[in-house]
Amino acid sequence: AQTVTQSQPEMSVQEAETVTLSCTYDTSESDYYLFWYKQPPSRQMILVIRQEAYKQQNATENRFSVNFQKAAKSFSLKISDSQLGDAAMYFCAYRSSWSGGSNYKLTFGKGTLLTVNP
Amino acid sequence: DGGITQSPKYLFRKEGQNVTLSCEQNLNHDAMYWYRQDPGQGLRLIYYSQIVNDFQKGDIAEGYSVSREKKESFPLTVTSAQKNPTAFYLCASSHPGPIRAGELFFGEGSRLTVL
Repeated sequence: AQTVTQSQPEMSVQEAETVTLSCTYDTSESDYYLFWYKQPPSRQMILVIRQEAYKQQNATENRFSVNFQKAAKSFSLKISDSQLGDAAMYFCAYRSSWSGGSNYKLTFGKGTLLTVNP
Repeated sequence: DGGITQSPKYLFRKEGQNVTLSCEQNLNHDAMYWYRQDPGQGLRLIYYSQIVNDFQKGDIAEGYSVSREKKESFPLTVTSAQKNPTAFYLCASSHPGPIRAGELFFGEGSRLTVL
């Protein structure tokens, strides 16, 4: 079974600065998808960014980017120019790419609570 | 606007009572999911459904039941057999097919408290 580990329960960053959230995972599969989800205090969770394991290029979405190290099974999220609205719980998630059966399910890490200081 | 609606937002229950949490989506998604969120535990999958009239147990299905009679609806019943039901429950849906199936759209959640 796959596992996802977020080793930083809490992080803080000054507004306008950069912060990196860590995520590692364990899998025996070679093809899979990785995700970062954001859960603001309002509680509605939204997708921030996704990465396909077969792609070597790191995904980027505006101020959010990932550092995907497949061999190390590491998938960190970098937030540049942090804004107050970035304050949230961030979850890393894994999904197998093998279609069918139980492979529609995501496995989530326990989350990292990010505080943005003005 | 398309989205997922969960109700009620807050629910209180006495021990021994069954309660049903509603989840409705108008995104035309085939797959729907129920997750449980506890502090420090992340999200754990209770049940999921890839298609109408079919559903599978997730990692923590004991004490819960679901139905999927319509594409738009995926209600979750928390039964009296669930030993620790106090939690935050999240419903989600996703696009069909392997490419986008990991991109979940979430509701705002339902907080259940057992008194």
